[in-house]
Amino acid sequence: DQQVKQNSPSLSVQEGRISILNCDYTNSMFDYFLWYKKYPAEGPTFLISISSIKDKNEDGRFTVFLNKSAKHLSLHIVPSQPGDSAVYFCAASQLNEKLTFGTGTRLTIIP
Amino acid sequence: DAGITQSPRHKVTETGTPVTLRCHQTENHRYMYWYRQDPGHGLRLIHYSYGVKDTDKGEVSDGYSVSRSKTEDFLLTLESATSSQTSVYFCAISDLADTDTQYFGPGTRLTVL
Repeated sequence: DQQVKQNSPSLSVQEGRISILNCDYTNSMFDYFLWYKKYPAEGPTFLISISSIKDKNEDGRFTVFLNKSAKHLSLHIVPSQPGDSAVYFCAASQLNEKLTFGTGTRLTIIP
Repeated sequence: DAGITQSPRHKVTETGTPVTLRCHQTENHRYMYWYRQDPGHGLRLIHYSYGVKDTDKGEVSDGYSVSRSKTEDFLLTLESATSSQTSVYFCAISDLADTDTQYFGPGTRLTVL
C-alpha cells in the first residue's frame, strides 16, 4: 500500500518557467513532509520541508504548499534552471517516526 | 555535506553468496538507516538503528540483517544474495534533535547474478 504517491514519473519544463511537482498521501497521521532532490550516481539531498501546522514554506526559488484537506503537497520551483534537472522525492513522517518516500518524479529543464 | 561514506560503491556477486555493505559516518548522529532504491518503488526502508546495538526492521527487511557495534558504523548483510536484491543501496543518518531530516550517503550499486 503506497501511502505517499507521486503520480507523474516525469516532467519537462522550459528554463525560466515554473516547475510544479505534486505528491499525494493517504495517511492522515503524517505531520511532517519533506522534498529530496537526487542527481544520478549520488545520494538524495534534503531540499525543503513543511510541518502540518503550516500550509506554505518558502526557501529561495523553492516553495512547498500543503493542502491537508486534500492530502496533497506540491513543490514549486521558480524560475527553473538547468541545474534543477534531477529526480525529486517527496517524503512524509508521523510523530518523528520513519520516513515514507514517494516513487519520485524526474524533472527535466529544457534550455 | 554530512560526512557519510559507503563501501563498496559497486559490487557484482553471485546468487547465494553473502554480501556486507558498510556505512560510515563522522557526524556522531544517533540514527542510521539503510534504504534500497528500485524503479517504480522509490526509496524503501530496510532496517534502521537508533543507537549502538539498537536496531529495528523497516518495510523490506526480509533477507537482510544489520549490525551496529559503534556509533559511526552501520553494516548491512545479505546472508545469501538473490537476484531480487539487485538494487542501489543508500545509507542515511539523522540527529536526535531532528530525526525527520535525513542525510544520505552516495549509494552502493549491487548486482546479483
